[in-house]
Amino acid sequence: QKEVEQDPGPLSVPEGAIVSLNCTYSNSAFQYFMWYRQYSRKGPELLMYTYSSGNKEDGRFTAQVDKSSKYISLFIRDSQPSDSATYLCAMTRPSGNTPLVFGKGTRLSVIA
Amino acid sequence: GAVVSQHPSWVICKSGTSVKIECRSLDFQATTMFWYRQFPKQSLMLMATSNEGSKATYEQGVEKDKFLINHASLTLSTLTVTSAHPEDSSFYICSARDTGPPNQPQHFGDGTRLSIL
Repeated sequence: QKEVEQDPGPLSVPEGAIVSLNCTYSNSAFQYFMWYRQYSRKGPELLMYTYSSGNKEDGRFTAQVDKSSKYISLFIRDSQPSDSATYLCAMTRPSGNTPLVFGKGTRLSVIA
Repeated sequence: GAVVSQHPSWVICKSGTSVKIECRSLDFQATTMFWYRQFPKQSLMLMATSNEGSKATYEQGVEKDKFLINHASLTLSTLTVTSAHPEDSSFYICSARDTGPPNQPQHFGDGTRLSIL
């Protein structure tokens, strides 16, 4: 079993839809959870950063972490064509400068 | 917000050439930076962890003599692909974390597309 599982998609939705992206993980030591957005031929851009369980909202984006289920989600409200990108979940342990463990990324297309 | 600058953004060169890629943290200090490689439509693959003032830690299967990493200051790490060959063509991305305040996330550069002819 991989440490982080993420459905690669592709996921295609109409403009204005609510998008739900998610990842599951197996390592209970993970405490920090991130969502990155990556446009084609660009580096990943940090969207959301959460510690432990709970919800975090930033504009149209909401991140949820459920440590008991080892499940994290990213919701995008009122999706726009500019949201079309690959979304990567990432997580890490709290100890020092440990590398991130990434999901495979989900390719999202928002159709106008 | 934290900014990581990577240069160059695109390199095309002949087989056998050595190529140096720079990664700079512009507004914070980073004792540790990470180098990734990404093939089309795949996720990021960690190559090595770059530590300021000491040797890099390479992931299994990554040739340290092929991919030379130098982290000479708290704001600069370099990756040199030595004697590059077509199979080294890929998208290389660095990341860094502000090691001042606690629990800061990693930020990524915009990547370097390397094409070896």
